[in-house]
Amino acid sequence: QSVLTQPPSVSGAPGQRVTISCTGSSSNIGAGYDVHWYQQLPGTAPKLLIYGNSNRPSGVPDRFSGSKSGTSASLAITGLQAEDEADYYCQSYDSSLSGHAVFGGGTQLTVL
Amino acid sequence: EVQLVESGGGLVKPGGSLRLSCAASGFTFSSYSMNWVRQAPGKGLEWVSSISSSSSYIYYADSVKGRFTISRDNAKNSLYLQMNSLRAEDTAVYYCAGRPKGPRYGDYEDWFDPWGQGTLVTVSS
Repeated sequence: QSVLTQPPSVSGAPGQRVTISCTGSSSNIGAGYDVHWYQQLPGTAPKLLIYGNSNRPSGVPDRFSGSKSGTSASLAITGLQAEDEADYYCQSYDSSLSGHAVFGGGTQLTVL
Repeated sequence: EVQLVESGGGLVKPGGSLRLSCAASGFTFSSYSMNWVRQAPGKGLEWVSSISSSSSYIYYADSVKGRFTISRDNAKNSLYLQMNSLRAEDTAVYYCAGRPKGPRYGDYEDWFDPWGQGTLVTVSS
């Protein structure tokens, strides 16, 4: 059971918009800790996708965007492409776990 | 090119030991907090351990405390994880990942970047 809750799977057709939620609590996201997102393509290592709730590292397309509100965060992907098919993880910190990093359980995105 | 390359994974019996290494290049290793993050087969990511740039601060997840030891050698741009008393539930791909230096002295950014390609540890009799 992960500290941050994500839907196990989402899907969408090419060109569509999908969102992935990340729900926490008052000891992590709600406590003010930032949320970061990672993309893990099949058989590869995770890659930083969004940092500080809504910032994109250099090279990440602006089709990817992040937001945070209250005890939750969301990752939105617009103009869905086949190459976006991957697992997505949110990450934050939790004060009840000595301030250590915590991850969501991951969401598998399928492009139909 | 920024790169982290893990090595040392393999098959080990329950109760056995293994030492993982992570070689860094292409960035200022000595200014990064370094971490180990693992992923059990078909499962999500789990933070395992972290070490500050000067090795002054070291932290472990409860699941590995007392069994794993993290260390680093800034002169060799290398990170290590000594794993003892291994259990079946330690079976996972182990990634090394860095946290960049933050804007304030002694601080690090909250996210993990870069990541290595991972090394598989299998604990089985």
